Amino acid sequence: GAVVSQHPSRVICKSGTSVKIECRSLDFQATTMFWYRQFPKQSLMLMATSNEGSKATYEQGVEKDKFLINHASLTLSTLTVTSAHPEDSSFYICSARGTSGSNTINEQFFGPGTRLTVL
Amino acid sequence: AQSVTQLGSHVSVSEGALVLLRCNYSSSVPPYLFWYVQYPNQGLQLLLKYTTGATLVKGINGFEAEFKKSETSFHLTKPSAHMSDAAEYFCAVTSPGGSNYKLTFGKGTLLTVNP
Repeated sequence: GAVVSQHPSRVICKSGTSVKIECRSLDFQATTMFWYRQFPKQSLMLMATSNEGSKATYEQGVEKDKFLINHASLTLSTLTVTSAHPEDSSFYICSARGTSGSNTINEQFFGPGTRLTVL
Repeated sequence: AQSVTQLGSHVSVSEGALVLLRCNYSSSVPPYLFWYVQYPNQGLQLLLKYTTGATLVKGINGFEAEFKKSETSFHLTKPSAHMSDAAEYFCAVTSPGGSNYKLTFGKGTLLTVNP
């Protein structure tokens, strides 16, 4: 099956700094990537959807200036948490769907997640 | 609009017992339905999915689910629980035909398996 990686798996940063999380599709072209946020013992909340080469579409209530998403290539999307604060501490998960050769992948494949802790 | 309701935030079973995790959905169009499993501090792994065709879907690790349109349900079952099945399970729905196949998740059910 399709593989999605995330880096880093864990990050600790000071309040006010920015953190970048990378999401890569390893064996398929990710035309669409999704970024989710998951609080402890809760479900996944979709933050934004990004199509390669286009601006991301953010869900209601998600600050686009705080959570910057770039999807510049078919294998890489990045989420930058700007001026992070303790309340941004969470588990961030990306997923991707797209194409492999001539086949369209109509399901999302998930990355392993990134645990962000803001001190 | 679509939504998913998972009845029971926590289900506890004995090893070897039947596992039943409930999922009901609402969707204005025929849905695609998914069950994912999440182990601590990990991403989601697809257990099984229903798109079209046979309503009884078999997945990995001995799990299966049945799509019942009349009941708007997609319950997940496994005949005999194993200790390694202890994890968080999420049911999700998407509307096919949309350009992005955006998923809507249920709140999850934590499965514990007792020896």
